[in-house]
Amino acid sequence: NAGVTQTPKFQVLKTGQSMTLQCAQDMNHNSMYWYRQDPGMGLRLIYYSASEGTTDKGEVPNGYNVSRLNKREFSLRLESAAPSQTSVYFCASSLSDRYGYTFGSGTRLTVV
Amino acid sequence: DAKTTQPPSMDCAEGRAANLPCNHSTISGNEYVYWYRQIHSQGPQYIIHGLKNNETNEMASLIITEDRKSSTLILPHATLRDTAVYYCIVRGQQNTGNQFYFGTGTSLTVIP
Repeated sequence: NAGVTQTPKFQVLKTGQSMTLQCAQDMNHNSMYWYRQDPGMGLRLIYYSASEGTTDKGEVPNGYNVSRLNKREFSLRLESAAPSQTSVYFCASSLSDRYGYTFGSGTRLTVV
Repeated sequence: DAKTTQPPSMDCAEGRAANLPCNHSTISGNEYVYWYRQIHSQGPQYIIHGLKNNETNEMASLIITEDRKSSTLILPHATLRDTAVYYCIVRGQQNTGNQFYFGTGTSLTVIP
């Protein structure tokens, strides 16, 4: 049982490049989430998907897009990467609103 | 969403109980208190949650005051592996779903 799997684990981008962070869960969870964490700070919600076919903005959505491809997969896209997007990105999933989240191990992204 | 206030850091001797406080004075009647921890930049890990009654599981105990304005997470016999950042979160209702908003948490150091 893998839980929440994020790929890649590490990535270096040049300013202006695009990329997609992948997230997949095998727990049949309905809801999925993308967070970013900057040094010395807590996690900030970027986007979430309460159920398959729906997505909504979180606290810091600017510069990102998401796709809930199916129940298992929720991807995060940076169309034109900026140095301010250098961060650690975490994907999470939950069975429903009342349950805790299961997090992936993170993607460490550096934009130069 | 109700805000939470936690001390930025705490120490605890190995083998002793670690008591981590959290204030949430603006909590509303249908909001739960959740606790997560994050060990050395790994993905956050769900610990426990509760509404008004005290809760206990294999990891910790959660004590919520009668007025629900504060709570305490108790790790009964802290080990070195419990060194982590602990987040207290009050989950609120948004327009289209429920999400967790993380603050900066309490950095717990367990001392040998």
